[in-house]
Amino acid sequence: DIQMTQSPSSLSASVGDRVTITCRASQSISSYLHWYQQKPGKAPKLLIYAASSLQSGVPSRFSGSGSGTDFTLTINSLQPEDFATYYCQQSYSTLGTFGQGTKVEIK
Amino acid sequence: EVQLVESGGGLVQPGGSLRLSCAASGFTFSSYWMHWVRQASGKGLVWVSRINSDGSDTSYADSVKGRFTISRDNAKNTLYLQMNSLRAEDTAVYYCARGGVAGRNDYWGQGTLVTVSA
Repeated sequence: DIQMTQSPSSLSASVGDRVTITCRASQSISSYLHWYQQKPGKAPKLLIYAASSLQSGVPSRFSGSGSGTDFTLTINSLQPEDFATYYCQQSYSTLGTFGQGTKVEIK
Repeated sequence: EVQLVESGGGLVQPGGSLRLSCAASGFTFSSYWMHWVRQASGKGLVWVSRINSDGSDTSYADSVKGRFTISRDNAKNTLYLQMNSLRAEDTAVYYCARGGVAGRNDYWGQGTLVTVSA
């Protein structure tokens, strides 16, 4: 099975900061990597698909990069509504494993 | 507007069974793969199962293989998850999600809570 490892597990940041979250796959997954945002009590929301494509309706301050085993989610100019938990997920294999999540908190 | 609405969650004793449903609307249900994802309280997302568009192919996480069965009724635009031999560790909110291009889960339901306890 493909394992997905996110780092850091949590971070504190201020409004306006640039935030970077990384996700590493245990084997190459090409660009079959997606990023989700989840707020407490809510369903996850797709932000980025296929490593770098912005889902419709998602603000352009969110961006993704990477291929193979190493991927990055970047949030430029963090906004108050961006404080949430972020997950990566691979769809290269049938078992669509998620990373453990990164909680972005207010500093 | 795409909508996914889960139902069927509740309290069940260990060893019991439960069937979850996910009613889909706003898109051509029969054209999309569908997934179940769960989340225990305070924990991360865990992929559970998926089914292809015509129901002929399914996959399961090792933790539920042999106990859970995913199915769909394209005439009723409904996805199901039959859960048998339930364990305490199956306690979670269960989400259904649509499988989009490149395997992304582009729409999610609001989730239904399953609690396995004596």
